[in-house]
Amino acid sequence: KQEVTQIPAALSVPEGENLVLNCSFTDSAIYNLQWFRQDPGKGLTSLLLIQSSQREQTSGRLNASLDKSSGRSTLYIAASQPGDSATYLCAVIAGGFKTIFGAGTRLFVKA
Amino acid sequence: GAVVSQHPSWVICKSGTSVKIECRSLDFQATTMFWYRQFPKQSLMLMATSNEGSKATYEQGVEKDKFLINHASLTLSTLTVTSAHPEDSSFYICSAPDGGRVDQPQHFGDGTRLSIL
Repeated sequence: KQEVTQIPAALSVPEGENLVLNCSFTDSAIYNLQWFRQDPGKGLTSLLLIQSSQREQTSGRLNASLDKSSGRSTLYIAASQPGDSATYLCAVIAGGFKTIFGAGTRLFVKA
Repeated sequence: GAVVSQHPSWVICKSGTSVKIECRSLDFQATTMFWYRQFPKQSLMLMATSNEGSKATYEQGVEKDKFLINHASLTLSTLTVTSAHPEDSSFYICSAPDGGRVDQPQHFGDGTRLSIL
């Protein structure tokens, strides 16, 4: 059974810091991995999608890497801003489009 | 880009009421949609896979008679919470893979917050 774990569960950093969020999964048989952002009481915003054949994806200040063999992905956020404060969710997509989410990392960036 | 619309965004109703939530793909066809539930400060848990023109596939522990799913067209899936009780209060979110392709992002609705009094 696929399990997705995110570390840390919560993180508080001063504005401007670079930070790394970690995601690990137990079954490497995935089609892709997706990082989302969720603001309190809101739906999900897709940040980055990494195909199983890819190693990383970049969008602006965000960079996500994938090491399928070790079952790990990291989301790197450069020069963090207060507007980055949210919960970040990692999800792996396996057969049948079944998407398994991690519990998320709650990020707070202090001005 | 592709958008998934979910309605209503917020429902408050009395115990015993049935509530219908709609999920629409606005500019692409979705033969498959997914329904998730999220309790406060927890992650999303997949409830069921909605398949156009056929029966939904439910995850273990999800009561199919409690959570009725209908996927009558290529752009609409509905989730009906029947005879809702306070323990059904949660945040429900739907998603659909862009173009029905597994190599494309999943697009999520904005969610429905259901509160049962």
